[in-house]
Amino acid sequence: NFMLTQPHSVSESPGKTVTISCTRSSGSIASNYVQWYQQRPGSAPTTVIYEDNQRPSGVPDRFSGSIDSSSNSASLTISGLKTEDEADYYCQSYDSSNHPYVVFGGGTKLTVL
Amino acid sequence: EVQLVESGGVVVQPGGSLRLSCAASGFTFDDYTMHWVRQAPGKGLEWVSLISWDGGSTYYADSVKGRFTISRDNSKNSLYLQMNSLRTEDTALYYCAKDMMDYWGQGTLVTVSS
Repeated sequence: NFMLTQPHSVSESPGKTVTISCTRSSGSIASNYVQWYQQRPGSAPTTVIYEDNQRPSGVPDRFSGSIDSSSNSASLTISGLKTEDEADYYCQSYDSSNHPYVVFGGGTKLTVL
Repeated sequence: EVQLVESGGVVVQPGGSLRLSCAASGFTFDDYTMHWVRQAPGKGLEWVSLISWDGGSTYYADSVKGRFTISRDNSKNSLYLQMNSLRTEDTALYYCAKDMMDYWGQGTLVTVSS
């Protein structure tokens, strides 16, 4: 089994850029795709990045994803921050060889102030 | 338009049982793996279970293995979660999600309390 570790919270000002990290505890971050979900208060999660760096249609290009094998982590970067970006963000990956099969990070609360 | 609508969440006593349902529409249901994911009040997302397109393969989180059973009826475009031996720590909003978790329902609330 592996864990995905995210910072509990981050904050930044409108118009700035923020990066949220997601570090895999064991095994290579590159061995399974990473997804990122946005969850606003009272709403279901929605996908903002899938397959490491792909954006679903309708997600603005201010959102980007990447992986870094040297730090064994994935990152979600949001540029040109807007107040509407304030939400919880979760990374997620798969473990096709062990149990549990689907792993979520603990979530990061983004505050745009 | 893809829609996932969960139902069945209620208040139940510890040790009790419950079956959740998820009605799917707007896509070819029997082409896709489906998941249940839960979120305890004020907490993060926890994957619960998945089922393959034909129901032939199922996987569970350790926290629910042996107590919960996932199933599907492709003729009814429906996903189910049978929950037995419920514990207070099973209290959560339960979401169904499609395949790569590209679509989620709005969730149904299960409260386990005496």
